[in-house]
Amino acid sequence: DAKTTQPPSMDCAEGRAANLPCNHSTISGNEYVYWYRQIHSQGPQYIIHGLKNNETNEMASLIITEDRKSSTLILPHATLRDTAVYYCIVRDNTGGFKTIFGAGTRLFVKA
Amino acid sequence: NAGVTQTPKFQVLKTGQSMTLQCAQDMNHEYMSWYRQDPGMGLRLIHYSVGAGITDQGEVPNGYNVSRSTTEDFPLRLLSAAPSQTSVYFCASRAGSGNEQFFGPGTRLTVL
Repeated sequence: DAKTTQPPSMDCAEGRAANLPCNHSTISGNEYVYWYRQIHSQGPQYIIHGLKNNETNEMASLIITEDRKSSTLILPHATLRDTAVYYCIVRDNTGGFKTIFGAGTRLFVKA
Repeated sequence: NAGVTQTPKFQVLKTGQSMTLQCAQDMNHEYMSWYRQDPGMGLRLIHYSVGAGITDQGEVPNGYNVSRSTTEDFPLRLLSAAPSQTSVYFCASRAGSGNEQFFGPGTRLTVL
């Protein structure tokens, strides 16, 4: 599975959009981009995933560049409860099962 | 559905003791896995299973054994606990190769 690079931490004002970047320059054609988050010391929670098109659900939007070498997770109106560690993962959906987590980005949402 | 459940929530062991961390899921998921998370770090994959009777090693398998006799259960065994195994352990499951993972609440293990 491809490796990802994320900034270690970011700040965001409450009510503003939080844009979390992820670089995955070695991603291969059949690998998807997944985002999870971990609030405090709970188990990680799935947010969204995509292959090459932009995706949106009730939690967030995922923007993947045309060359697929990077992506951005967007939380449109961040709240204090969005303070968490966000993990960007790339994974092959067709075969391998291993899901490898990196260090993630610690997002602080401030009032 | 209860989702993914883990027991115990907390455990303290002495060096050399053995124990089994329990994980169960009621979603009929094929895939299950175990991760450990050390303070301030991301999750590291210990072992995983793609179905009953099938297991494989992850990134950090040494010191841990697993088995998968049923779809629902995936216990993690520490044969001889060491202080380096002090960590939070998370179990996860998912339906198939293309789906999201569901995580349990974690077991906090301290080895003295």
